[in-house]
Amino acid sequence: DGGITQSPKYLFRKEGQNVTLSCEQNLNHDAMYWYRQDPGQGLRLIYYSQIVNDFQKGDIAEGYSVSREKKESFPLTVTSAQKNPTAFYLCASTTGTGEYGYTFGSGTRLTVV
Amino acid sequence: SQQGEEDPQALSIQEGENATMNCSYKTSINNLQWYRQNSGRGLVHLILIRSNEREKHSGRLRVTLDTSKKSSSLLITASRAADTASYFCATGSGAGSYQLTFGKGTKLSVIP
Repeated sequence: DGGITQSPKYLFRKEGQNVTLSCEQNLNHDAMYWYRQDPGQGLRLIYYSQIVNDFQKGDIAEGYSVSREKKESFPLTVTSAQKNPTAFYLCASTTGTGEYGYTFGSGTRLTVV
Repeated sequence: SQQGEEDPQALSIQEGENATMNCSYKTSINNLQWYRQNSGRGLVHLILIRSNEREKHSGRLRVTLDTSKKSSSLLITASRAADTASYFCATGSGAGSYQLTFGKGTKLSVIP
């Protein structure tokens, strides 16, 4: 079945450590997105990519980095510069025009220990 | 920045009743979408309404859009316990660089 796979489901980060969240899709979608969700809040855009080897900052890109070397993959690295990384991270994808809505992964819950 | 704002923030109803959620936004849009999120899960796309449409139906869902008031509503008829979830509106805008901006959501509880 086509879809988006995020891994791991739960991730624990120590202070000063970089961690990478995986997002893979087999929907042949051009565009991919990373969102952060805090408790009781909506989704805030971190980074997005419309095509391979190109990505743009969203509203809260500081402390995060991404790459888009393959159409199927859009990993997110949470760096030590992100001072409050504990949150639920969601990856999404869509066709180029977005006219059919986003498909979301099941999310990664990141906790700082 | 979050453009959509849902109202109410939380809604509790009995099974079989209708649930209505509202969404207001600030700038012009290409389309507006509604998503459902079960606790601890990803979002699921429910329905999309374009800016030139006024009403759309999908099963027990009915969405209206009033671009003059910059508002939308989602009606779920004959609610079921399985409808318990958070519901988000998202506005789509921008040409050539498609992005969705999400509101904070309405938490719906359907009591059996």
